[in-house]
Amino acid sequence: DAGVTQSPTHLIKTRGQHVTLRCSPISGHKSVSWYQQVLGQGPQFIFQYYEKEERGRGNFPDRFSARQFPNYSSELNVNALLLGDSALYLCASSFYDWNTEAFFGQGTRLTVV
Amino acid sequence: AQKITQTQPGMFVQEKEAVTLDCTYDTSDPSYGLFWYKQPSSGEMIFLIYQGSYDQQNATEGRYSLNFQKARKSANLVISASQLGDSAMYFCAMREGSGGSNYKLTFGKGTLLTVNP
Repeated sequence: DAGVTQSPTHLIKTRGQHVTLRCSPISGHKSVSWYQQVLGQGPQFIFQYYEKEERGRGNFPDRFSARQFPNYSSELNVNALLLGDSALYLCASSFYDWNTEAFFGQGTRLTVV
Repeated sequence: AQKITQTQPGMFVQEKEAVTLDCTYDTSDPSYGLFWYKQPSSGEMIFLIYQGSYDQQNATEGRYSLNFQKARKSANLVISASQLGDSAMYFCAMREGSGGSNYKLTFGKGTLLTVNP
């Protein structure tokens, strides 16, 4: 069975641009969460979606948005990119929103220049 | 205040020896879960072990065990018989609450483990 897949794996964008990151959860999983991990830090929670509804949002500006599709895949959108948005963006999936296990993808490394 | 504290930025261990990675946490919620993840240089976060706040026994998964000391708010990871492939970043994380509010993981800053041959 395929694990959590994220695309693209690497991305370079210019300040002010917009970016869309994609995540496909494990088959049958209904919850997707997004995390941002800057170099040298632990991941920080951005969003969680369960059954296509936003269940939680971390302390991130409105430039960050996300959605979940009927097939439970998800997109994370970031507008007006800043240099500080350069990070590894991780997607995690679980069956329920309260599952004890969350399985992560390999991440998307975003570099803003 | 930091919810998850990992005081060891880096640790070294000889192959085949055991190593303990420290984690302390801070919460006033009686219901919480504690997790350990391994992150190799490739970036993927690999789930290792989980301990619930109401679990009476320490969690074990193969060579990994979690030394859960609730009164001290400590959840140390013990890796027995270290292997070269264990070299990676290790993160302790916590999920607070239950039900609909129990949705996010709060991570520590991590410990970089290096296993020497």
